[in-house]
Amino acid sequence: GENVEQHPSTLSVQEGDSAVIKCTYSDSASNYFPWYKQELGKGPQLIIDIRSNVGEKKDQRIAVTLNKTAKHFSLHITETQPEDSAVYFCAAPAKGGGNKLTFGTGTQLKVEL
Amino acid sequence: DADVTQTPRNRITKTGKRIMLECSQTKGHDRMYWYRQDPGLGLRLIYYSFDVKDINKGEISDGYSVSRQAQAKFSLSLESAIPNQTALYFCATSDAGPRGLETQYFGPGTRLLVL
Repeated sequence: GENVEQHPSTLSVQEGDSAVIKCTYSDSASNYFPWYKQELGKGPQLIIDIRSNVGEKKDQRIAVTLNKTAKHFSLHITETQPEDSAVYFCAAPAKGGGNKLTFGTGTQLKVEL
Repeated sequence: DADVTQTPRNRITKTGKRIMLECSQTKGHDRMYWYRQDPGLGLRLIYYSFDVKDINKGEISDGYSVSRQAQAKFSLSLESAIPNQTALYFCATSDAGPRGLETQYFGPGTRLLVL
């Protein structure tokens, strides 16, 4: 089945700096890569996703890049703000399809003032 | 997301007890999921259901069972709770859209402590 590895597990940046979180996947047939943000005391929420027919997707201060050859994808947050502090999860389709996802282990992002 | 609710939000129980966690959704989605979150392990799928008559095991189903009482309700049971089932449990829903992979909407979670 799919195996998703996520790094780093924790990331601390100064407000205004950029943050990058990286994930690798094992199944070359995977074609959908979402990113979820989990704020303290809440459930994860989709913030951006990318499909394998594009290499990059942007939504204001966040972007996701995909390298299918290397089987890795990354989340980029620019001009970080305190409200970006949260746990971020990457994911890829799990074996067996049907909208099942395999999640990475999460990255705790802290944006310091 | 208020469209997906979980009860209870917190639960303390003792080893050997049977407990049930409940999930309800008003999004009209056919697909529902139960996940478990542990520090350093991310989210792991316990069970999932693609419609009322469909129940499937996820990657860590041992010690758990589920019931899909209606399109809007999906409950998770721990038949005989053990301490290593202490975790944060999430219910999620998704549509079965034409793209094949649709956004999952998560509830607020249930924090379970097994003593």
